[in-house]
This record gives sequence, C-alpha cells and structure tokens, in this order.
Amino acid sequence: GAGVSQTPSNKVTEKGKYVELRCDPISGHTALYWYRQSLGQGPEFLIYFQGTGAADDSGLPNDRFFAVRPEGSVSTLKIQRTERGDSAVYLCASSLYGDGNYGYTFGSGTRLTVV
Amino acid sequence: SQQGEEDPQALSIQEGENATMNCSYKTSINNLQWYRQNSGRGLVHLILIRSNEREKHSGRLRVTLDTSKKSSSLLITASRAADTASYFCATDARGSARQLTFGSGTQLTVLP
Repeated sequence: GAGVSQTPSNKVTEKGKYVELRCDPISGHTALYWYRQSLGQGPEFLIYFQGTGAADDSGLPNDRFFAVRPEGSVSTLKIQRTERGDSAVYLCASSLYGDGNYGYTFGSGTRLTVV
Repeated sequence: SQQGEEDPQALSIQEGENATMNCSYKTSINNLQWYRQNSGRGLVHLILIRSNEREKHSGRLRVTLDTSKKSSSLLITASRAADTASYFCATDARGSARQLTFGSGTQLTVLP
C-alpha cells in the first residue's frame, strides 16, 4: 500500500482482556517496528522484525506482550491480560531494509485504552 | 528508555521567525533522524544525518550534528503556522540492531 496502515485506530478494552493490534507495512519493506507512546513522551521501542523473524524484542515490557509477522508482511501485536498501564498509542513503522540508511514510515497508530 | 533529550520542551514563535531545537544523546550513533508529529499520532520523517556528516539541508530545514558533543540541532527557517507540531530526534545507535531511540520531543507552536 501507499503507507503504513494500522487497525483499529482506537481500541477500548476492559482490564484483563486480550487484544490484537494489526500493522500493514509498505509493500516491499523488510523491516517492521512496533513502538509505544505515552502522552507527552517520545515513542518507546518494543520490537523489530527483519523479514519474518524478530531481530530484537528487547523492548517488550513483559511476557504479556507478543508480536508476530508470519509472512514477512503484516504484523500483529498481541497483549494478554491487559492492564490499565498498557493504555497508550501503539505505533508501527516500516523501513526499506532496516540497515539504518533510511528513515521510518510510521502508521497513524492505535490508541489503546484499558478501562 | 529515552536516549535523546530535546531542548526546549516547548517553543512558541511568530510566523516568519526561525525555530531552533536541540537534541542531546548519550551513546555512539550511526545516524540521527528528526521526525515531526501532529496531534499525537503518526510521525513523519524529516531528515537523516549520518555520523560522518556535520550539516544537512532539506528545504527550510537545516540539521547539524556534533558527535564530539553528542548533540544535534534542527533549524526551521521562515516558520509557518503549519509547522506547529512536536519534533523528535531519534538515534540509530551502534550495536542496537537498527532500532531508533527517540527523545521526549519539543512542542513547537507557530503563531499566525
């Protein structure tokens, strides 16, 4: 597609529920990133995919968070047993090669609210 | 954790004036990038400067990089009301598997 698409744009869920956030990167971009942004802060790194594999998942806060990219394109961020502290905007970005020579293209994000 | 720190946290100027934002970071980098964000949603890539470059221009944007001081600046000349946004620096640190680390941002307001 022309840009990075994230769905849903907004998600309200109850504490303890499971949620899935979807990211559709730019076609042909091999690198895909998930970030989380709290109000008034910069984005914080969660996980980086190169192709189908997670090259770096060091930013995932705990084992309730998991992400997949089974075919090297669309990625899903999964959060189990959601907590109120998980409320944030979850941003997905893609880059052509992930070799540091290109900027990221970000999606518009999913605003997750846990009540 | 946030690698970079932007300064100032907030900046308010009149249309037509120049805006300067600064960024400091902590570790050795491959490159440094600047992004703009409107309304707390998607970020837009503005410019990338590599660690062996000292200055780069793109339209009304001028970025400098001083690796000895671990700092960068973003200058927006002849500002417009449409430049109102949050601006973030992000570093691609050596050995980081190519993930960017963002600062906390500068909120720029350009008054018409």
